[in-house]
Amino acid sequence: RKEVEQDPGPFNVPEGATVAFNCTYSNSASQSFFWYRQDCRKEPKLLMSVYSSGNEDGRFTAQLNRASQYISLLIRDSKLSDSATYLCVSRPLYGGSQGNLIFGKGTKLSVKP
Amino acid sequence: EADIYQTPRYLVIGTGKKITLECSQTMGHDKMYWYQQDPGMELHLIHYSYGVNSTEKGDLSSESTVSRIRTEHFPLTLESARPSHTSQYLCASFGQGPFANYGYTFGSGTRLTVV
Repeated sequence: RKEVEQDPGPFNVPEGATVAFNCTYSNSASQSFFWYRQDCRKEPKLLMSVYSSGNEDGRFTAQLNRASQYISLLIRDSKLSDSATYLCVSRPLYGGSQGNLIFGKGTKLSVKP
Repeated sequence: EADIYQTPRYLVIGTGKKITLECSQTMGHDKMYWYQQDPGMELHLIHYSYGVNSTEKGDLSSESTVSRIRTEHFPLTLESARPSHTSQYLCASFGQGPFANYGYTFGSGTRLTVV
């Protein structure tokens, strides 16, 4: 079982739609969580960190549920420029590669006019 | 403004050649990483380093080698390039302390094609 699992998509949505991505992680000792965005043929870039209390950045809202070990990302009023692959990421506190980020395979989002 | 630099951006090279992909960061980060990624596919960790003279192999077996003689520099070397090495190689670094919440910073990558 992968340590971080995401629905690969693709999610094809019209402009203005609200779209939600979920992600589950298997290491209960995971300490930090992130969402990264990766455009085609580009490097991943940090979109936002995910806090236990949930956090919002403009149209983006991230939630963490430690009891169920899942993370979500909600994008409201989606734009064409939101089209990208979204990577769910955890950082385990313990384990052989302590402190290394664990990347999910990514969920591809395509926003259509 | 990039704080982590990779060169070259693109490299086309013949089979059997030795190549070195450069990665440098100016943030003083101890932890550095090399990932391999094919188009549309997931990231695969191939090497990482926790500081000077520290190198470890990642989750994906790779014929490449790395060195960490200086904190800011983490080059990756392929002694004899093969077409199967064609891929994008991404370098990343990670800060500790309060910067841990910022995750990794990635370089722009080197797109390698071996013909």
